[in-house]
Amino acid sequence: KAGVTQTPRYLIKTRGQQVTLSCSPISGHRSVSWYQQTPGQGLQFLFEYFSETQRNKGNFPGRFSGRQFSNSRSEMNVSTLELGDSALYLCASSLASGPLETQYFGPGTRLLVL
Amino acid sequence: GQQVMQIPQYQHVQEGEDFTTYCNSSTTLSNIQWYKQRPGGHPVFLIQLVKSGEVKKQKRLTFQFGEAKKNSSLHITATQTTDVGTYFCAGPYSGGGADGLTFGKGTHLIIQP
Repeated sequence: KAGVTQTPRYLIKTRGQQVTLSCSPISGHRSVSWYQQTPGQGLQFLFEYFSETQRNKGNFPGRFSGRQFSNSRSEMNVSTLELGDSALYLCASSLASGPLETQYFGPGTRLLVL
Repeated sequence: GQQVMQIPQYQHVQEGEDFTTYCNSSTTLSNIQWYKQRPGGHPVFLIQLVKSGEVKKQKRLTFQFGEAKKNSSLHITATQTTDVGTYFCAGPYSGGGADGLTFGKGTHLIIQP
């Protein structure tokens, strides 16, 4: 099976712009979670989608949003970008939802905000 | 939501030495998972522990779940250069009425040949 894919892999934006990142889960996986990874804060949970519904949300401002489509592909959007949003954004898919599920991570999208 | 604390943040060892990273929670965990992220890579699942006092081994890696299910450890015997990376533990996260996973900040393992 193909792994989790994320596009684009690299992105440079300027403050105030918005960005949309895409994630295609492993075939058959219905849950997609998004994480922000920075050297200082580590891996921080953004949100999880399961069957097109947001099941869980981390402590991020409303500028961070996401959605999931009927084919389980997911997108996350960040509006009004700030310098501090520069990070590696990882998505992970799992068969189902919940803490017992193994997370399969994609390669990530590295976002640089100037 | 619940948090898992991981120590140490960095660990320098000579190749061949042992390495241990610890994960602690203030509340009881239903389960804990361990992941490894190589430099420039993405986290990869290693193992999941569910039972109190559980010990699992993968070659030179030994994973333990505490009796009270509030802590866990990963021990690597006789480290090799291929062990370089960041090791994360992940525990349940409760928020918004549903459960997910929350990750510790990771332990960066640096190996000096």
